[in-house]
Amino acid sequence: EAGVAQSPRYKIIEKRQSVAFWCNPISGHATLYWYQQILGQGPKLLIQFQNNGVVDDSQLPKDRFSAERLKGVDSTLKIQPAKLEDSAVYLCASSSEGGGPYEQYFGPGTRLTVT
Amino acid sequence: GENVEQHPSTLSVQEGDSAVIKCTYSDSASNYFPWYKQELGKRPQLIIDIRSNVGEKKDQRIAVTLNKTAKHFSLHITETQPEDSAVYFCAAASYKLSFGAGTTVTVRA
Repeated sequence: EAGVAQSPRYKIIEKRQSVAFWCNPISGHATLYWYQQILGQGPKLLIQFQNNGVVDDSQLPKDRFSAERLKGVDSTLKIQPAKLEDSAVYLCASSSEGGGPYEQYFGPGTRLTVT
Repeated sequence: GENVEQHPSTLSVQEGDSAVIKCTYSDSASNYFPWYKQELGKRPQLIIDIRSNVGEKKDQRIAVTLNKTAKHFSLHITETQPEDSAVYFCAAASYKLSFGAGTTVTVRA
């Protein structure tokens, strides 16, 4: 079974620029999550999708972050404009148990550096 | 929201010894408690999880215990090996995962 795929693996941008991350979940997993992991901390949930609907985006900074999962499979996370404090690893995860936070499998992440 | 505290932040053990990491949580509605292992520069890997209807779960050298009354849960690694060296995260969830800050485990050969 293929794992969660993410691209790019690394990205360096200047503040105020925009950036987009892509995630392809494990085949058949209806639930998709985006997390932000700042160096030395645990992952923090940004947004959760169930199929193509948003379940929870309470911790997503909506003035600059957006995410979509149009066809219920792949997802993109965008930051516009980026700030220095957005430097982090952005992790995508997926799970097959609909509606619950159970058995989440993570992708390799995108390491974002904002200069 | 849920607040998960994890201790210790670093742990150094001799190869072959046991390692124990403890976590507490604040939300009594939490019913799912996974543990993730993250090696440097790699993805978090789910290594074991427990649900609130179970007090203990074991998988080879790792085990997790849960005390719902006290709102704490622990990871136990026995017969530690160098490949167990990593950062370990606990998490708790009612409807979404909240992670602890992580424990850096170093196994000395």
